Amino acid sequence: DAGVTQSPTHLIKTRGQQVTLRCSPISGHKSVSWYQQVLGQGPQFIFQYYEKEERGRGNFPDRFSARQFPNYSSELNVNALLLGDSALYLCASSLEVRAYGYTFGSGTRLTVV
Amino acid sequence: DAKTTQPPSMDCAEGRAANLPCNHSTISGNEYVYWYRQIHSQGPQYIIHGLKNNETNEMASLIITEDRKSSTLILPHATLRDTAVYYCIVRALDTGTASKLTFGTGTRLQVTL
Repeated sequence: DAGVTQSPTHLIKTRGQQVTLRCSPISGHKSVSWYQQVLGQGPQFIFQYYEKEERGRGNFPDRFSARQFPNYSSELNVNALLLGDSALYLCASSLEVRAYGYTFGSGTRLTVV
Repeated sequence: DAKTTQPPSMDCAEGRAANLPCNHSTISGNEYVYWYRQIHSQGPQYIIHGLKNNETNEMASLIITEDRKSSTLILPHATLRDTAVYYCIVRALDTGTASKLTFGTGTRLQVTL
């Protein structure tokens, strides 16, 4: 069975550019969450989506946005990239909004230069 | 969500039991204790969770003190593949409209020959 898949695996962008990251959850999982992990720190919650609706948002600026599609896949968009946006972006899926366990993908490594 | 305190690093010899402690003195009655681990360059992996009773699965055991203010994750026979950062997370399952994991900096477990 396929796990949570994220694309691309690595990405290099220039300051001021925009980026779109993609996530496909485990088949049957309706909830997708996004996390940002800066080097040396634990992942930080950005968004949670369930049934195409935003169910939660972390302490991130409006430059960060996301959406979920009818097939439950999701995109994370970041506008006006800053050097500080360089991080590993992780996607996690679960059956429902509130779940005991979340399955994470391997992430997208974004480098902003 | 209650905050957790973990030692920044630990060493363990291969084949020995690894005992990873976590303090969560402000835990509430409805909050579960979760453990995740993150192997280098991968997304976090769910290990185990518990409320008040000790729990065991194929990966590990979770021992929660009677007052629930601390817990220990036990890897009974650590192998080199268990080298990872281990995160202890305290979270109520029913958190309203959103459900997120609040990661700290975790414990870096190094398993050696």
